[in-house]
Amino acid sequence: DVKVTQSSRYLVKRTGEKVFLECVQDMDHENMFWYRQDPGLGLRLIYFSYDVKMKEKGDIPEGYSVSREKKERFSLILESASTNQTSMYLCASSLVGAGYGYTFGSGTRLTVV
Amino acid sequence: GQQLNQSPQSMFIQEGEDVSMNCTSSSIFNTWLWYKQDPGEGPVLLIALYKAGELTSNGRLTAQFGITRKDSFLNISASIPSDVGIYFCAGQLGPGGSNYKLTFGKGTLLTVNP
Repeated sequence: DVKVTQSSRYLVKRTGEKVFLECVQDMDHENMFWYRQDPGLGLRLIYFSYDVKMKEKGDIPEGYSVSREKKERFSLILESASTNQTSMYLCASSLVGAGYGYTFGSGTRLTVV
Repeated sequence: GQQLNQSPQSMFIQEGEDVSMNCTSSSIFNTWLWYKQDPGEGPVLLIALYKAGELTSNGRLTAQFGITRKDSFLNISASIPSDVGIYFCAGQLGPGGSNYKLTFGKGTLLTVNP
């Protein structure tokens, strides 16, 4: 069963901590994405990557960075966590090209206290 | 970034009722997709549409790709309690470059009363 796996379902971190959210896909997809989901705001794109070591900013990249050292793994980094980064974080992957949807992970619910 | 206009934002219905939701955009898309997100999970693809005017079914779900390529709708017939969740529409321009990225609606929260 092909899938996208996020390392943690729930995380609680303190303000100012450096936080790593990990995502691994086993479908050999070129593209990977990080979204955050907040009530009433839908899915907002933070960063995406279309190849190893390549990354592009999404709509809300401030306060975040990413790393893609291997094709199957895409990490989201909160350099100094703040309470306004409390959210549900969703990772997704897809093949390159038109007509392909995304496969999402189950999400990581992050609480920053 | 651009977002699709998805409506309604939420729906409360009785089991057995039919449901309809739609998405509109100011620009055209070449692919429309519909996702469902169960509580506490990530979105899962329900239906993909690739041609203007296309009508596609998946069990009790039916979706259509609007003729203008600027809208799409999703119908659920004879709703059941497990239909509860958030439904997202998504449009993709494609092909080429970053045009493969999906643009998402804000979602329709569906509650089904048994």
